[in-house]
Amino acid sequence: DTEVTQTPKHLVMGMTNKKSLKCEQHMGHRAMYWYKQKAKKPPELMFVYSYEKLSINESVPSRFSPECPNSSLLNLHLHALQPEDSALYLCASSQDGTSGGPNNEQFFGPGTRLTVL
Amino acid sequence: GQNIDQPTEMTATEGAIVQINCTYQTSGFNGLFWYQQHAGEAPTFLSYNVLDGLEEKGRFSSFLSRSKGYSYLLLKELQMKDSASYLCAVRDDRGSTLGRLYFGRGTQLTVWP
Repeated sequence: DTEVTQTPKHLVMGMTNKKSLKCEQHMGHRAMYWYKQKAKKPPELMFVYSYEKLSINESVPSRFSPECPNSSLLNLHLHALQPEDSALYLCASSQDGTSGGPNNEQFFGPGTRLTVL
Repeated sequence: GQNIDQPTEMTATEGAIVQINCTYQTSGFNGLFWYQQHAGEAPTFLSYNVLDGLEEKGRFSSFLSRSKGYSYLLLKELQMKDSASYLCAVRDDRGSTLGRLYFGRGTQLTVWP
């Protein structure tokens, strides 16, 4: 299984809603990532979990709250979002976050297309 | 960012060869990745270079010159399905043990029949 899955595929929410994005991988990877991607822009790193611990937070607003319940799962909890948060949210995983080499490439999930009204 | 620069758009015809260039500036360089991304889909891994030289993988090849901070992705025998955005990503380990990737803005390649 070389797949990263994400649910839901699409999400529309109001600014007062609370929702969660989910990501799952069964490749035994120990590093997992959240990226945000706007149209025609490259992915922007938001968070990195390494061995289930948050290791990088790229100064993301607190209305985005990541959670890593176990080594296969990664969640992104959303609360009080703004319309400008509408984007494609990509989850990725890699073997681990510390070693180089081609075996440590990041595998991306299909993303969740988020629209905030 | 890491000053990763690549052309915004390129066009080519089916069967042709196209070269997409990427330049970068980083002090903690530990590898360069090329990803392909079709519209509305996730990026998929194409190639990885960490040493100078050419890596060939079927119709795709990638080249790296570390001293020049330069890479290119070469696509041969272009097919319509190769129309996509091609992202150059640099791994920078400076100040961190984690393999953080910095992405270029992507090159939108359109292949015409």
